[in-house]
Amino acid sequence: DAGVTQSPTHLIKTRGQQVTLRCSPKSGHDTVSWYQQALGQGPQFIFQYYEEEERQRGNFPDRFSGHQFPNYSSELNVNALLLGDSALYLCASTTFGANYGYTFGSGTRLTVV
Amino acid sequence: AQTVTQSQPEMSVQEAETVTLSCTYDTSESDYYLFWYKQPPSRQMILVIRQEAYKQQNATENRFSVNFQKAAKSFSLKISDSQLGDAAMYFCAYRSANFGNEKLTFGTGTRLTIIP
Repeated sequence: DAGVTQSPTHLIKTRGQQVTLRCSPKSGHDTVSWYQQALGQGPQFIFQYYEEEERQRGNFPDRFSGHQFPNYSSELNVNALLLGDSALYLCASTTFGANYGYTFGSGTRLTVV
Repeated sequence: AQTVTQSQPEMSVQEAETVTLSCTYDTSESDYYLFWYKQPPSRQMILVIRQEAYKQQNATENRFSVNFQKAAKSFSLKISDSQLGDAAMYFCAYRSANFGNEKLTFGTGTRLTIIP
């Protein structure tokens, strides 16, 4: 049973560039959330997607945008990268309306130089 | 807004002993869910245990159990018979039961070291 798959695992970008991170949810899940985890911190909620629409958003600027595809996979896009965007980006999936918690991927480590 | 506080940045325990990790939270809601997640060096967040606020009985999963004190807004994790594989970062997380507000709010984590 495939869990949550994220790609790439590591990425180095230059300040001002744009980046796209990808996530495939666990089989049977239809809802995807993205989290940013800075070094030494707990994950911070970015946004959640269901039925290809953004359902909830955290306190992140518009430079952070996302997309969900008909097969439930998702992308996180970050424009005009700042040094402070360096972090581990985690994708989590669940079934809409379920309360049993989320399944997380292993994340993408983004370094902005 | 809800907040989650983990006041122990680091904890250590001898192998086979018992350790308790603390978590407090702040909310004005009456119905919610609480979770403990484990994050080993592989970076993947692994669900350890969950608690539904409307249930008075404390959740238990094998060697892991919680002490849920709703009035005190406290949610501690007890690990019995600690094993080397338990070494990881542990995060406490809160989730509202309100439809449309399903985000997880995490604490800052506790790094658990197991001493052989």
